[in-house]
Amino acid sequence: DSGVTQTPKHLITATGQRVTLRCSPRSGDLSVYWYQQSLDQGLQFLIQYYNGEERAKGNILERFSAQQFPDLHSELNLSSLELGDSALYFCASSVGQRVSYNEQFFGPGTRLTVL
Amino acid sequence: AQKITQTQPGMFVQEKEAVTLDCTYDTSDPSYGLFWYKQPSSGEMIFLIYQGSYDQQNATEGRYSLNFQKARKSANLVISASQLGDSAMYFCAMREVSNTNAGKSTFGDGTTLTVKP
Repeated sequence: DSGVTQTPKHLITATGQRVTLRCSPRSGDLSVYWYQQSLDQGLQFLIQYYNGEERAKGNILERFSAQQFPDLHSELNLSSLELGDSALYFCASSVGQRVSYNEQFFGPGTRLTVL
Repeated sequence: AQKITQTQPGMFVQEKEAVTLDCTYDTSDPSYGLFWYKQPSSGEMIFLIYQGSYDQQNATEGRYSLNFQKARKSANLVISASQLGDSAMYFCAMREVSNTNAGKSTFGDGTTLTVKP
């Protein structure tokens, strides 16, 4: 158990809908990262938050947004869902934000299926 | 732009033998970190080993070692004495340090390792 929790574990929804994925980082970790793992795109970095502020951005679609709250949990909002958004969404956390050796602890993931 | 290449989609190894999983990378940043993760069939991502671009020695963590050849931009993972539980997908990843997007990680496509009894 990495200490990172993600809810829900599985999510099935329809095209055009909106969903919210939730992540609680390990105790003491200030950075939260979101990743998408799909069969055609592989594992892609979406976005990083550090202590409530956006710190790095990857291949995140405009239909997706994220935020980190004062209690450091984070939510990833996916809207106008398409079939291609079906994927495993990981959250990871780490203590710092820019240090090279910055071990990220991954949560178990949320498997999103868009029908 | 960062790029990670893992050229072996699948690898087989006999139990108790050593195996090398290849990883090459491309970056213009002089300061970066290289990581290997294991993803078993259950789906979780497990950190295995880290190598910094300025580290003089190759990283080792138990049965895992990283064969870092900076001039060739390669960071191969060596697993010694393979066990059945090593069967999984393995990802090589890189994070640059000095740019403003330092939190961003780039992952390779992964290598599926199967350990045969």
